[in-house]
Formats: sequence, C-alpha cells, structure tokens
Amino acid sequence: QKEVEQDPGPLSVPEGAIVSLNCTYSNSAFQYFMWYRQYSRKGPELLMYTYSSGNKEDGRFTAQVDKSSKYISLFIRDSQPSDSATYLCAMRESGGYQKVTFGIGTKLQVIP
Amino acid sequence: DTAVSQTPKYLVTQMGNDKSIKCEQNLGHDTMYWYKQDSKKFLKIMFSYNNKELIINETVPNRFSPKSPDKAHLNLHINSLELGDSAVYFCASSQAGGGGNTIYFGEGSWLTVV
Repeated sequence: QKEVEQDPGPLSVPEGAIVSLNCTYSNSAFQYFMWYRQYSRKGPELLMYTYSSGNKEDGRFTAQVDKSSKYISLFIRDSQPSDSATYLCAMRESGGYQKVTFGIGTKLQVIP
Repeated sequence: DTAVSQTPKYLVTQMGNDKSIKCEQNLGHDTMYWYKQDSKKFLKIMFSYNNKELIINETVPNRFSPKSPDKAHLNLHINSLELGDSAVYFCASSQAGGGGNTIYFGEGSWLTVV
C-alpha cells in the first residue's frame, strides 16, 4: 500500500462546477498537508497548506484535513478553464528534515 | 527573474552516456532537492541538501550523484544512462527542511534515453 493514495482521474467538469479532490494516507505521523497544482510541462506550485486537522479557505479553494480518517480534500468552487491542471496532494511529518511525500496527482479538466 | 532555474530543459541521449543537469535558485533558500517524475506522473524525492550537506538520500542508484558547490546550486550528474532513467527531473528549494515552508520547483528537465 502506498503511503499516499490519490485517484489519477482524469476528472472532467463543466465550468462553474464545484470540484472535489481527495487523498488518503496511511502514515499517522503526517502533520503538514499541502496541495500543489501542476500545469502541463511545468513544475508543481504550492496552492494550499494546512497544519494538522481543520479547514483552510483561500478564495475559491478550500482545503480540509481529517486526521481521524486519514483523509484530505481540496474543493474548488466556481471552477474555471484556467483551473485545468494536475493537482497533487503532499504531506510530511513534523520535525527536522522530513521528506515530502506526494500523491500521484489528479488530472482535472474544466470544460467551458 | 526565475526563482529556480534548471538546464537543460530537454535532453535526448543514448544509453551508456553520462549527462548533467544544473540547477540554481535565487531565493536565498537553505535547502535544495532533486525530484523525479516518472511516466506515470509519480513525483518522488531523490536527494535533499541543506547548506551543501546531503540530508536525504532515497534509494537511488549510485549512478546518480548530486553535487552542491554552494547553497544556491545543486547539480545532478548521471553516469551510464539507462532507458529507465527517462523521466522529468525537477530541482526544487525551500527555506529550511520543507515542513510547512513552500517548496519551489523549477520547470523540469525532460530526459529521454534512447
């Protein structure tokens, strides 16, 4: 079993839809949870970061972490064609120089 | 100004050759990384350096040798290239140890071994 599981998609939605992206993980020591967005032929860029459990909102994006279920989500409201990209969840343990473990990424296409 | 820059962007080479990928960051970060993204798009860490010191070395063949002449540069040298080395290699940097600090990625180097 991989440490971080993520459905690779692809996920196609119409413009304006609410998008839900999810990851599950097995390592209960993970404390930092991140979502990266990667456009085609580009490097990943950080979208949202959450420490431990809870919600975080930034504009149209909301990140949720449920440590009891080992489940994290990213919601995108009013999705736009410019949101079409691959979304990678990432997480790491606290302390020291812990490596960041990435999910495989979910490819999202928002259709105008 | 590009924050994390890596060269070359595209590299096609024959099996058995030796090649290098260079990386520089102008963000003043202490920590630099090399990640590999394979054909299935899985992004996996290879190495991490902090102030020129190797701190993470995943299970990577010793044909791969990172070199950090200073904290702003982390180069990757690959000896005796194999077909399975074909992938996208991303250089990245962060302020210190990753954690909640943002990891900034370069645009990637597409390596194709034929």
